[in-house]
Amino acid sequence: DIQMTQSPSSVSASVGDRVTITCRASQGISSWLAWYQQKPGKAPKFLIYAASSLQSGVPSRFSGSGSGTDFTLTISSLQPEDFAIYYCQQANSFPITFGQGTRLEIK
Amino acid sequence: EVQLVESGGGLVQPGGALRLSCSAAGFTFSTYTMYWVRQAPGKGLEYVSTISSDGGSTYYADSVKGRFTISRDNSKNTLYLQMSSLRAEDTAVYYCVKEKGSGSYYFDYWGQGTLVTVSS
Repeated sequence: DIQMTQSPSSVSASVGDRVTITCRASQGISSWLAWYQQKPGKAPKFLIYAASSLQSGVPSRFSGSGSGTDFTLTISSLQPEDFAIYYCQQANSFPITFGQGTRLEIK
Repeated sequence: EVQLVESGGGLVQPGGALRLSCSAAGFTFSTYTMYWVRQAPGKGLEYVSTISSDGGSTYYADSVKGRFTISRDNSKNTLYLQMSSLRAEDTAVYYCVKEKGSGSYYFDYWGQGTLVTVSS
């Protein structure tokens, strides 16, 4: 199975800050990577696919990059509604696996 | 508008069985691969199972293989997950998930989830 490791596990930031979350795959997955946002008590929301493609309706302050084993999710200017948990997911092969999540908290 | 509505969750004893359903609307259900993904309380996301658009192919996480069965009824736009020999570690919110398409393994729409609690 492909292991996905996110860092940091949690991060504190302020509105307007730029934040970057990292996801590392245990083996190369080309660009087969997605990012999701989850708020308390809600289902995950699909943000980015193919490592850098923004899902329709997602604000442009979200961006993704990377290929192979190392990926990043960047939020360019944090908004109050962005405080949530973020998960990466590899879409290269079964079994599909997720990172453990990064909690983005208000400083 | 895509809608996925799960039902069937609840409290069940260890060793028991439960069938989850997911009613789909707002898209051509019969043309999309569908998934179940679960989340234990306070934990991360875990892939459970996949079924192809025609139901001919299925896949399971090792943790549920041999105990869970995924199926679908395209005439009713409904996805199912039959769970048996349930264990405490199966306690989770179970999400019905739609694939973005074209065998992409990306999950573009999620249901609200249904809670399964395995406890005596």
